[in-house]
Amino acid sequence: ETGVTQSPTHLIKTRGQQVTLRCSSQSGHNTVSWYQQALGQGPQFIFQYYREEENGRGNFPPRFSGLQFPNYSSELNVNALELDDSALYLCASSDGTSGIYEQFFGPGTRLTVL
Amino acid sequence: GEDVEQSLFLSVREGDSSVINCTYTDSSSTYLYWYKQEPGAGLQLLTYIFSNMDMKQDQRLTVLLNKKDKHLSLRIADTQTGDSAIYFCASSGGKLIFGQGTELSVKP
Repeated sequence: ETGVTQSPTHLIKTRGQQVTLRCSSQSGHNTVSWYQQALGQGPQFIFQYYREEENGRGNFPPRFSGLQFPNYSSELNVNALELDDSALYLCASSDGTSGIYEQFFGPGTRLTVL
Repeated sequence: GEDVEQSLFLSVREGDSSVINCTYTDSSSTYLYWYKQEPGAGLQLLTYIFSNMDMKQDQRLTVLLNKKDKHLSLRIADTQTGDSAIYFCASSGGKLIFGQGTELSVKP
């Protein structure tokens, strides 16, 4: 059974640029959630995708957008990058039909915005 | 809005028990979780408890839930240096609401 994987591991961008982060969910999981973890903070929920549809969104502006593909992998896109977007971006997959909401996290993508 | 609070630091001696505490506000949380994060790594699910349970034991880990006071604790018995990490409590109604994390330092 393959766990959750994310790419790239690290990324450096400049303010105003756009970035795409990728996540492959664990085998058998149909739900992907994205979180932003700033340094020294707990993860903050960005949004969740269930069977290719957005299924809940946290308090993030529209320049944070996402996609989920038929194989349940997912992308997080951030436009017009700001310095405060520098963070660890975590993806978590789960079985949305189980009711337990047990989420398994990937290792994260460390984004630095200069 | 929903909130989860934890103390920021805990220091214990190897072999002692560690108790990490958490309070939450979302009374509709169906499950409550404990995650562990080691430096530079993602989050590892340690254990979870269903909201209608008072206690759950899993090897060295004991979770206590006081639903009336919205208080959750994680006890780690016989704490080892490898337990040094940041521990996050999270409440869930579908999305996870995390606390700020408690940094556990285990001294030999």
